[in-house]
Amino acid sequence: QSALTQPPSVSGSLGRAVTISCTGTSSDVGSYNRVSWYQQPPGAAPKLMIYEVFNRPSWVSDRFSGSKSGNTASLTISGLQAEDEADYYCSSYTSSSTLIFGGGTRLTVL
Amino acid sequence: QVQLQESGPGLVKPSETLSLTCAVSGFSIGSDHYWGWIRQPPGKGLERVGSVSHNGRIYYNPSLESRVTISLDTSKNQFSLKLSSVTAADTAVYYCARGLSGHDPFDYWGQGTLVTVSS
Repeated sequence: QSALTQPPSVSGSLGRAVTISCTGTSSDVGSYNRVSWYQQPPGAAPKLMIYEVFNRPSWVSDRFSGSKSGNTASLTISGLQAEDEADYYCSSYTSSSTLIFGGGTRLTVL
Repeated sequence: QVQLQESGPGLVKPSETLSLTCAVSGFSIGSDHYWGWIRQPPGKGLERVGSVSHNGRIYYNPSLESRVTISLDTSKNQFSLKLSSVTAADTAVYYCARGLSGHDPFDYWGQGTLVTVSS
């Protein structure tokens, strides 16, 4: 099973919004609402930010939102803050009863 | 507060078995949820190694299935990973984490431990 496709890097200005895409296939993202997003600051463990496409754990700011259209899921971060600078990974359940991750996206806050 | 802490050797020789333990506090692993291992080679992305449920249901990454064993020790509230016949390609930071289902999401993570495979 191939990894989900994410842009290697994105950037956005302080206070603005940025969207990170995660493209899969009809065998994973397109067929299941089992997409999660993780934030990983440099040298730290990943942190769950979004699960089941758009649900936020209690510790996540409402500046983070998730959505899905067809085979592509998206994570949008509004009101960018310096602390948002990190790597972001998406994951999806697949029709082979496995879990796959995206290659990761480095977010730079300008 | 749920906390997880990995422990084990940081250096393993090629062809030997990698063994790690994850100690859990703040939650009884035998009561609910899944308990899994995820790894990250240096400078690369995440890869799920496998997960085991509180009642013994197991999911392994198909690419690693022939070499992986994950088990629970409810008496010590910890779970373990064994990966046999390791090569340099198994060098990675290994994270333990709590899963809300058999595959995802993982809501609580350990800090990770680097395991290097080298002679």
